[in-house]
Amino acid sequence: EAEVAQSPRYKITEKSQAVAFWCDPISGHATLYWYRQILGQGPELLVQFQDESVVDDSQLPKDRFSAERLKGVDSTLKIQPAELGDSAMYLCASSLISGASYNEQFFGPGTRLTVL
Amino acid sequence: AQSVTQLDSHVSVSEGTPVLLRCNYSSSYSPSLFWYVQHPNKGLQLLLKYTSAATLVKGINGFEAEFKKSETSFHLTKPSAHMSDAAEYFCVVSDLRSSASKIIFGSGTRLSIRP
Repeated sequence: EAEVAQSPRYKITEKSQAVAFWCDPISGHATLYWYRQILGQGPELLVQFQDESVVDDSQLPKDRFSAERLKGVDSTLKIQPAELGDSAMYLCASSLISGASYNEQFFGPGTRLTVL
Repeated sequence: AQSVTQLDSHVSVSEGTPVLLRCNYSSSYSPSLFWYVQHPNKGLQLLLKYTSAATLVKGINGFEAEFKKSETSFHLTKPSAHMSDAAEYFCVVSDLRSSASKIIFGSGTRLSIRP
């Protein structure tokens, strides 16, 4: 069964360091999402891609976060510099297409980030 | 603007008894609504979805939910709880008429099952 892959699964870093997370969506899925889930809360959408284009990054803290999906397949989310408050689970999801005809979002296992 | 409220942060039931997880939503348009489940150390999994078809939606693992527009609710139910149902459950609202629509997760309800 096809799955969304994420790496690393766990990351511990010191504040002010740079970190990067990688996501490989299910083959053929045009839409890719990055979410942040703080412990005890629901996931919050950070950025949404349609192919290689950003559809929504209104909740992405652009002073320190960046995301790219250069070839419209896999994606990287970067934080530079990391802050203590960035400690969270970072989830990637993909779907066939967004819009009027809903397609289920499939989630990866997530990357748990701890900033010391 | 859209929002979703899960009315209980923690629900505890005995095995074999009914489960009710409550969700209220706010949306300017006809919303699409979903329930996801998150088991420890596993990814989020879709339980069921409502997208303006039948108001009673059946999902996986015996769960179902009823869309009630007059009450702006989408509560999740299961007739008989099983130990394997212990997990975190999220109610999600979205307006899918726009490709850039917001997807809003509730804060989650932790379901515990007592033997």
